[in-house]
Amino acid sequence: KNEVEQSPQNLTAQEGEFITINCSYSVGISALHWLQQHPGGGIVSLFMLSSGKKKHGRLIATINIQEKHSSLHITASHPRDSAVYICAVRNQLIWGAGTKLIIKP
Amino acid sequence: ETGVTQTPRHLVMGMTNKKSLKCEQHLGHNAMYWYKQSAKKPLELMFVYSLEERVENNSVPSRFSPECPNSSHLFLHLHTLQPEDSALYLCASSQETGVRREQYFGPGTRLTVT
Repeated sequence: KNEVEQSPQNLTAQEGEFITINCSYSVGISALHWLQQHPGGGIVSLFMLSSGKKKHGRLIATINIQEKHSSLHITASHPRDSAVYICAVRNQLIWGAGTKLIIKP
Repeated sequence: ETGVTQTPRHLVMGMTNKKSLKCEQHLGHNAMYWYKQSAKKPLELMFVYSLEERVENNSVPSRFSPECPNSSHLFLHLHTLQPEDSALYLCASSQETGVRREQYFGPGTRLTVT
């Protein structure tokens, strides 16, 4: 079993839908990262959070340290949100396998 | 543009070739990383350099040889690779300030070994 598990692996939705991607981990952490990887391969850091909730534009990340679980939400999804979303822990040294998101117009 | 550049962006090499991947960061960071991303697998950390010293080496085969001549540059020297080494190789950098470092990634080099 991986130390970081993401679900779903693949997600296809229509433009405008509310998206939720989940991340569970089994190791002790001080912070969890959400990152976005575009089809070209480049990775962009979205959030680093250690408690509660953070919001940036249409993206919201939450974390429950006790339950060892984090979620990434996208409101009013758009085709340009199509990417692989990855969670990582332990200073980004342990990575989830990623969730491939496709938003159809 | 994240401040981390990688060259080349694409590389095709035979199993007997020797090539090098280059990474450069313009962020003033003091740590640099090499990752391998194979299809449908999580990112695999290969090497970590902090203050130009290698601090982590995750059982990577010796056909991969990193070099960090200064805090802004990182190389990955490749020789006698295997087809299964075909992958996206990502470089990242961070500022070591304790437990909450955040990494900035380059665009990656897509490597194909024939």
